[in-house]
Amino acid sequence: AQSVAQPEDQVNVAEGNPLTVKCTYSVSGNPYLFWYVQYPNRGLQFLLKYITGDNLVKGSYGFEAEFNKSQTSFHLKKPSALVSDSALYFCAVRDMGEAAGNKLTFGGGTRVLVKP
Amino acid sequence: DGGITQSPKYLFRKEGQNVTLSCEQNLNHDAMYWYRQDPGQGLRLIYYSQIVNDFQKGDIAEGYSVSREKKESFPLTVTSAQKNPTAFYLCASSPVGGGGRGNSPLHFGNGTRLTVT
Repeated sequence: AQSVAQPEDQVNVAEGNPLTVKCTYSVSGNPYLFWYVQYPNRGLQFLLKYITGDNLVKGSYGFEAEFNKSQTSFHLKKPSALVSDSALYFCAVRDMGEAAGNKLTFGGGTRVLVKP
Repeated sequence: DGGITQSPKYLFRKEGQNVTLSCEQNLNHDAMYWYRQDPGQGLRLIYYSQIVNDFQKGDIAEGYSVSREKKESFPLTVTSAQKNPTAFYLCASSPVGGGGRGNSPLHFGNGTRLTVT
């Protein structure tokens, strides 16, 4: 079975400071990893994904994430946070070896609050 | 513009009534999904469908039913058997179906907030 953990319910950061949102995963095989963002009363928007290759993945809105296989982590980062980055962030994983289609397992979400 | 449309945005029902949530996509995606979102619990998969006329139970299918008669449509019925139906429901689709590579991101609708009293 695959699972995802986001250990922080909320992350507070001052505008202009670096932002990190943590994610660890568990799969039996190799993972596909995704980050999504959700604004209030909206659906999730795709930010970036790791499939294979370079461990540092760049995505939308200046976000990036680093895949670390030994630590089974996929932390989301942004060098300089904006107030508009305040939202709910979800990490998701799919085991490449799983036969049952494109099912994603989501973490519980981390609320990011960027203060001016 | 292509996308996923969920309707209505807000839905109110009395306990004991069945209710159907609509999800339509014009992205020509094979696979469609229903997730339930509760505060602090992330998203949990209810049902998914990889092809027309076929669907599978997700992690929390009890008290829900779906149909997939057309590629564009994947309605979800919340039945009176669902013990705690009040939640935010999200529909999603992806271009991968039939056990494909699975590396495509999901595209989400804007959700339906269901309140049952």
